[in-house]
Order: sequence, then structure tokens, then C-alpha cells
Amino acid sequence: NAGVTQTPKFRILKIGQSMTLQCAQDMNHNYMYWYRQDPGMGLKLIYYSVGAGITDKGEVPNGYNVSRSTTEDFPLRLELAAPSQTSVYFCASRDRTGAGEKLFFGSGTQLSVL
Amino acid sequence: RKEVEQDPGPFNVPEGATVAFNCTYSNSASQSFFWYRQDCRKEPKLLMSVYSSGNEDGRFTAQLNRASQYISLLIRDSKLSDSATYLCVVWGAAGNKLTFGGGTRVLVKP
Repeated sequence: NAGVTQTPKFRILKIGQSMTLQCAQDMNHNYMYWYRQDPGMGLKLIYYSVGAGITDKGEVPNGYNVSRSTTEDFPLRLELAAPSQTSVYFCASRDRTGAGEKLFFGSGTQLSVL
Repeated sequence: RKEVEQDPGPFNVPEGATVAFNCTYSNSASQSFFWYRQDCRKEPKLLMSVYSSGNEDGRFTAQLNRASQYISLLIRDSKLSDSATYLCVVWGAAGNKLTFGGGTRVLVKP
């Protein structure tokens, strides 16, 4: 049982390039999330999804796009990368809505935009 | 005011000592509360949920004070391995989702 798998682990982009951060979970979780974490800061929600075909914006969605065509996959797309997008990105999933279920995190993607 | 606030620290703690720190939340309708632990450059991991009556897990004790809108985490008999950032997480602080505090850094020293 792999849990939440994120790829790549590290990436360096040039300003204006695009890329997709991949996230897959094998726990059949409905809820998936993308967070970014800047140095010394907490996690900020970029986008989330409550099920296949349904996505919604979080706190900091500008410059990103997501899709959720299957329960398992929740890729995050960066178009026209900017230095402000240099951060560590975490994907997470949970089993159901409501208060109780814990988040399962991927190991993160460290992205630098130069 | 931020939805979830924490003292960033660092809290420098001698090995074996007790350390405690709080997290405040602004929305009185917040429903559930958690402490996550994050090691440097790693993903956060659930340390413990926080229940209304308070709860304990080994050397860790979590408390919830709804009247004053804060939760606390106390670590007894600190170990070097307790050095980490502790993230306060609140469900319902800003709508129907989880909100993370900025984290409290704890450094346990010999």
C-alpha cells in the first residue's frame, strides 16, 4: 500500500516554463488537496477536490490549475512559472469530509523557479 | 487576524524538561483540532487529535479551551527526537476545510 505518491521530488524551472506535479493515492480517498509551504511558514491550500470531476480553489490558487479525472490522480499544473512559486508542494488525501479523518501526505516536491 | 496562529519559536528545551505551547483560532464555529509534527523538509504527520476533554498520548498532552479559543500541546520529559515543528490544524476555521497554523519550532538540546 503506497499511500500518497508525489513526483518529481525535486525540480528546477526557468521563469515562464510550465510543468505538472503528479499526485496519486491508492486508498480510494475522495478528498485530495494541494498545499504549498514556503520556508518557515505553514501550509497554504492551493486547490482541493471532493471527488472525481470536482475541484475548487483554496487560499492561493493563482498561477495553478488542477484536474481530477479519476479518484486516484490529482495533478497540479503550473503555467508560466514565476519565482514566487518557489516552494515545497505537498499533496494530501483523506477518506471523507467532516472533522475526524486525518490527512495522508505525499513526501513533497521541492520546486525552484529561477 | 489569521484564522490559526502559533508562536513560531524556537522553543529551546533542555533534554528531560517540559515544554508547552498554544495555538489560537479565530472562528468560534471551528469543529475539530489536531496537532501535526513536521521534521525538516519532510511531510507533516498526525501527532494527535485534540478532544474537548483533553487527551494524552504518552508524553504528549493536548488540551482544548473553547471559551478562549485555543488549543495547547505539552511535551513532558523531552527527548532529542522531539525536535521538530509542531503544526496546529483546525477544521472549520475558514469554511469547510482544514487550516494550518504557521508552526511552532521546538529544539531539544542535551
